[in-house]
Amino acid sequence: EVQLVESGGGLVQPGGSLRLSCAASGFIVSSNYMSWVRQAPGKGLEWVSSIYSGGGTYYADSVKGRFTISRDNSKNTLFLQMNSLRGEDTAVYYCARDFMTEDYWGQGTLVTVSS
Amino acid sequence: QSALTQPPSASGSPGQSVTISCTGTSSDVGGYNYVSWYQQHPGKAPKLMIYEVTKRPSGVPDRFSGSKSGNTASLTVSGLQAKDEADYYCCSYAGSNTLYVFGSGTKVTVL
Repeated sequence: EVQLVESGGGLVQPGGSLRLSCAASGFIVSSNYMSWVRQAPGKGLEWVSSIYSGGGTYYADSVKGRFTISRDNSKNTLFLQMNSLRGEDTAVYYCARDFMTEDYWGQGTLVTVSS
Repeated sequence: QSALTQPPSASGSPGQSVTISCTGTSSDVGGYNYVSWYQQHPGKAPKLMIYEVTKRPSGVPDRFSGSKSGNTASLTVSGLQAKDEADYYCCSYAGSNTLYVFGSGTKVTVL
């Protein structure tokens, strides 16, 4: 059974950093197309970043240069390193496998950027 | 890249149909047959309902259907049921720079 479990969210001050994790089971992360999608409180969904099985990475303009997507094959885990955090980064962050064609999502982890 | 345009709300009585539009540009919706639709209940993760404009994942009822004409994609929910009351989002591939853009979301109310 495919499962995705996010962790690492919390309260961080503006300008701070946070690393989100997405532990996968039931499939191999490195063989799949993985993404992060976020949702600010009361707002819509926003694509954040994706990593292809071949290692290519892509970012939304709103996070480019501040966020880094990566994976640890030994831990079968996807990461999102978030630096220089801003208030507008406050959101629930979901990890997903091939979100455009498959229906595998984590439960989400809340990131709050506030002083 | 701006969000795709969806009506904020739509409604229908049980058994009726509702159609939600998703308008983009030739750089996203109109340029590729990669439009997906998601259903989201409060506090829950999104659920994929339609992919590649018209395809339904296994387990999604055939009451849900998708289509596209030019720069506008549409999701139709037929035979509305109370459990269909949720937020619905479209998403389109938008090329190798932006990759993906979501719609602004539509709240569907079953009267």
